[in-house]
Amino acid sequence: QSVLTQPPSVSGAPGQRVTVSCTGSSSNIGSVYDVHWYQQLPGRAPKLLIYVNSNRPSGVPDRFSGSKSGTSASLAITGLQAEDEADYYCQSYDSSLSAWVFGGGTKLTVL
Amino acid sequence: QVQLVQSGAEVKKPGASVKVSCKASGYTFTSFGISWVRQAPGQGLEWMGWISAYNGNTNYAQKFQDRVTMTTDTSTSTAYMELRSLRSDDTAVYYCARQDQQWVDYWGQGTLVTVSS
Repeated sequence: QSVLTQPPSVSGAPGQRVTVSCTGSSSNIGSVYDVHWYQQLPGRAPKLLIYVNSNRPSGVPDRFSGSKSGTSASLAITGLQAEDEADYYCQSYDSSLSAWVFGGGTKLTVL
Repeated sequence: QVQLVQSGAEVKKPGASVKVSCKASGYTFTSFGISWVRQAPGQGLEWMGWISAYNGNTNYAQKFQDRVTMTTDTSTSTAYMELRSLRSDDTAVYYCARQDQQWVDYWGQGTLVTVSS
């Protein structure tokens, strides 16, 4: 059971928009702690996608965006492409655990 | 360019220890920390802990507190993660990653550790 809750799977057709939610609590997302997102392509190491809630590292397409509100955060992907098919993980810090925490991951399927 | 190159796959028996290395290049090693994250087969990501490459300070996840030691060798820009008293459920891919504040921005390629009798 992950401290941050993500839907196990989402799907969408090419060109569509999908969102991935990440729900936490007052000891992590609902506090002062930021949310970061990672993309893991099949068989590959994770890759930083979004940092500090809504910032994209250099090289990440602007089709990817992040937001945070209250005890939740969201990753949005617009103009869905086949290459976006991957697992997506949110990450934050939890003050009760004094540790980093990850969501359980969401598998994105491009139909 | 920033690179983190990890040591090769390991097969260990239950009760043994494993030490995974992570050699960094392309940046000033002591300016960032190194986090270790593992991923069991078909499972999600699990944070194990962090070490400052600047002063060696560590912060371990409570789950691993008694069994893990993270170290660095600044002369070779290499980080190490040792896990002791291995069990079958420690079978996983272990990743090192460069820590920039409260996130990681570059990852190693991963090291598969298999624990089997």
